[in-house]
Amino acid sequence: AQSVTQPDIHITVSEGASLELRCNYSYGATPYLFWYVQSPGQGLQLLLKYFSGDTLVQGIKGFEAEFKRSQSSFNLRKPSVHWSDAAEYFCAVLSGGSYIPTFGRGTSLIVHP
Amino acid sequence: NAGVTQTPKFRVLKTGQSMTLLCAQDMNHEYMYWYRQDPGMGLRLIHYSVGEGTTAKGEVPDGYNVSRLKKQNFLLGLESAAPSQTSVYFCASSYPNRDYGYTFGSGTRLTVV
Repeated sequence: AQSVTQPDIHITVSEGASLELRCNYSYGATPYLFWYVQSPGQGLQLLLKYFSGDTLVQGIKGFEAEFKRSQSSFNLRKPSVHWSDAAEYFCAVLSGGSYIPTFGRGTSLIVHP
Repeated sequence: NAGVTQTPKFRVLKTGQSMTLLCAQDMNHEYMYWYRQDPGMGLRLIHYSVGEGTTAKGEVPDGYNVSRLKKQNFLLGLESAAPSQTSVYFCASSYPNRDYGYTFGSGTRLTVV
């Protein structure tokens, strides 16, 4: 069965600092991997996805993520955080023949001015 | 704008009352889903549908029923609301293609008193 872990419940960074949000998955083969962002009072919006090819993927809003098979990880990064990036971030994994992704419990990003 | 529309956005119910949440999408997506989001629990799948006239149970289906009479609509019903159903409910839709992510609605905040 597929599973995904986001080890950090909360992350606090200063505006302009770099960011890395961690995501680890459990699945034998290469899964489909997604990062979503949820702004307060909103639904989830797809940031980026990976399913094959280049292991470094670029997404919207200046985010990128790197797939590392050896570490079963798909960490989300941004070089310089803006105050508007404060939100909840969810990693999701889709594996096998399933069309139903498993979501992590989310990481809340707090940005200090 | 194209997307997923949920109605209502907010609702307060008394224990034992019934209600229906409506989800409508205009992207011709085959698949539709209902999730609930609770603090610290991430997103949990309630029911989903892979096409008009079909529905299936997700991770937490008890106390809920769904119907997909039209391709663009997916209804979530609570027959006898309980305080444990206080949550934020999200509808999502997708193509039957694993390369794409979900499109989410903006959510319905339901309080059962």
